[in-house]
Amino acid sequence: QVQLVESGGGVVQPGRSLRLSCAASGFTFNIYAMHWVRQAPGKGLEWVAVISYDGRNQYYADSVKGRFTISRDKSKNTLYLQMESLRPEDTAVYYCARGENGGEFAYWGQGALVTVSS
Amino acid sequence: EIVLTQSPATLSVSPGETASLSCRTSQTISTNLAWYQQKPGQAPRLLIYASSTRATGVPARFSGSGSGTEFTLTISSLQSEDFAVYYCHQYNNWLPVAFGPGTKVDVK
Repeated sequence: QVQLVESGGGVVQPGRSLRLSCAASGFTFNIYAMHWVRQAPGKGLEWVAVISYDGRNQYYADSVKGRFTISRDKSKNTLYLQMESLRPEDTAVYYCARGENGGEFAYWGQGALVTVSS
Repeated sequence: EIVLTQSPATLSVSPGETASLSCRTSQTISTNLAWYQQKPGQAPRLLIYASSTRATGVPARFSGSGSGTEFTLTISSLQSEDFAVYYCHQYNNWLPVAFGPGTKVDVK
């Protein structure tokens, strides 16, 4: 069955960096676009970034553009989110999600909590 | 950029009753809309895509309708496990991806 498992979350000081990983299994990883979506405590869902199935194209929300980098490794079936210059407002649970051909997100990981605090 | 508005913010319903949730978009999106259910501490779960198609394993009491800019998620005969937050998501102009602010369905 399809599984997405995030890792790499934790507590980090403002201005520091962190890298999240999302290990994919149960499907052909390199034929799907992959997304990161985050959710601040008590708030709604906020899309963060997407990478095309082949890794050639990446797009970001304005709130993270220039600070976050999405990437993927097809040999490891893993999605990444490199987060730089972290701010307290980046504190959230970060989910990876598979983008279906129609555009909806049928599969989500369980989430990784990132807390940015001094 | 397309903006999604959901109403009401909170809907209080008794078990067994029907709940109707609204999602409006700032631009027409045909039927490129999905609905998700989220319970505390859990990831969102896809319920409906293409406005009215139930995802795999979703009970028939969940139904979606609408096109253009106005969409509705209807939950018939609410069960205890249906009390949750529901989000709509447009993917017509799929960048930037946009979610609605959510509707919380709680027990009356």
